[in-house]
Amino acid sequence: GNSVTQMEGPVTLSEEAFLTINCTYTATGYPSLFWYVQYPGEGLQLLLKATKADDKGSNKGFEATYRKETTSFHLEKGSVQVSDSAVYFCALSAGYSTLTFGKGTMLLVSP
Amino acid sequence: KAGVTQTPRYLIKTRGQQVTLSCSPISGHRSVSWYQQTPGQGLQFLFEYFSETQRNKGNFPGRFSGRQFSNSRSEMNVSTLELGDSALYLCASSSPQGRQGGRETQYFGPGTRLLVL
Repeated sequence: GNSVTQMEGPVTLSEEAFLTINCTYTATGYPSLFWYVQYPGEGLQLLLKATKADDKGSNKGFEATYRKETTSFHLEKGSVQVSDSAVYFCALSAGYSTLTFGKGTMLLVSP
Repeated sequence: KAGVTQTPRYLIKTRGQQVTLSCSPISGHRSVSWYQQTPGQGLQFLFEYFSETQRNKGNFPGRFSGRQFSNSRSEMNVSTLELGDSALYLCASSSPQGRQGGRETQYFGPGTRLLVL
């Protein structure tokens, strides 16, 4: 079956530090990959996505590249801000709409 | 466009009761999916509806059911509530314009937080 594994948190960084959150996946077929972000008390917001190998998704300074050879989709940001503090979910879709999520990684950014 | 809306936002029920949650998708979206989020199990897929038909279903007991109306609004129902049903229930809708890049992108609502006492 399909599964997503992402690094456990919390990840604690100082403002302006570099961020990497690792995500690897197992899927039948050729999935699309997503990163969603959840702020406290809210639902999920789509951060970025990639639909084929070597695609790079990007948004708000965040980037992730679809690596088929390593089945990975690591999230990166060059300089984090306090406002980036949230829980980040890696997910895949190998069917019409059904998403399979990782466990989530909490990011805490201090001033 | 308005986003996905869910009502109510918060709900407190007691064991044995039943509950109905509502979701209105983004205008023009015909697919609605439901997910349960708990600290222990994370985000788990419940079911998906497309054009009033259940298209996919997760691994949940029959106490969890849903439906979709002709205007694409969806409801989910949980009967005979258990303490373990306490969770954030998230609804997501996706575009009907075929597949975007091969898979439909889902957009989530703010969720309904259910507490079972």
